[in-house]
Amino acid sequence: SQQGEEDPQALSIQEGENATMNCSYKTSINNLQWYRQNSGRGLVHLILIRSNEREKHSGRLRVTLDTSKKSSSLLITASRAADTASYFCATESSNDYKLSFGAGTTVTVRA
Amino acid sequence: DAMVIQNPRYQVTQFGKPVTLSCSQTLNHNVMYWYQQKSSQAPKLLFHYYDKDFNNEADTPDNFQSRRPNTSFCFLDIRSPGLGDAAMYLCATSVGGTGGYEQYFGPGTRLTVT
Repeated sequence: SQQGEEDPQALSIQEGENATMNCSYKTSINNLQWYRQNSGRGLVHLILIRSNEREKHSGRLRVTLDTSKKSSSLLITASRAADTASYFCATESSNDYKLSFGAGTTVTVRA
Repeated sequence: DAMVIQNPRYQVTQFGKPVTLSCSQTLNHNVMYWYQQKSSQAPKLLFHYYDKDFNNEADTPDNFQSRRPNTSFCFLDIRSPGLGDAAMYLCATSVGGTGGYEQYFGPGTRLTVT
């Protein structure tokens, strides 16, 4: 079942700008993961943040997690055309190892 | 390179004609998942195998079945495809357990039902 909701649904930015997208979820979690999906392809794991972590970085990606608000954000800094994709958050709930995916944010980076 | 492979990448089938999609992995992961993804939607988990144990999602139609003959291979069978079953089907694997493991996805099979 879908637990996460993502905001915005779509985002268009200029190359070099930052892109921020948000994810909200409903139940307590073990961890939250972000995935990228290029058009017509499978998903690629980007970053995992555990419930006891507040912020994590990986290259140009920065993820925050606020468990009190049940929300997470993904920031992509200095965006490139190759960052054009859909981004999904996925939560692993406290009593299960399966992932529940949000509907995704479609990011378009204009050259 | 260790990976998740799906065949075929594109499949066209006729309404009501059984179809099988395949997935193989070289990661030696315990868990293999099948997701259905329709346009602009979240991947929807259909079922998964944890080793040989089959776990069906409550809302997965009986029309969808799965087989895992060994660790490396998993199949998705659609017994009587309807027009509403046209979608991208994604196979994924993970180590398993609640330790916070990422899932590795294959490229997907795009199913068209005519």
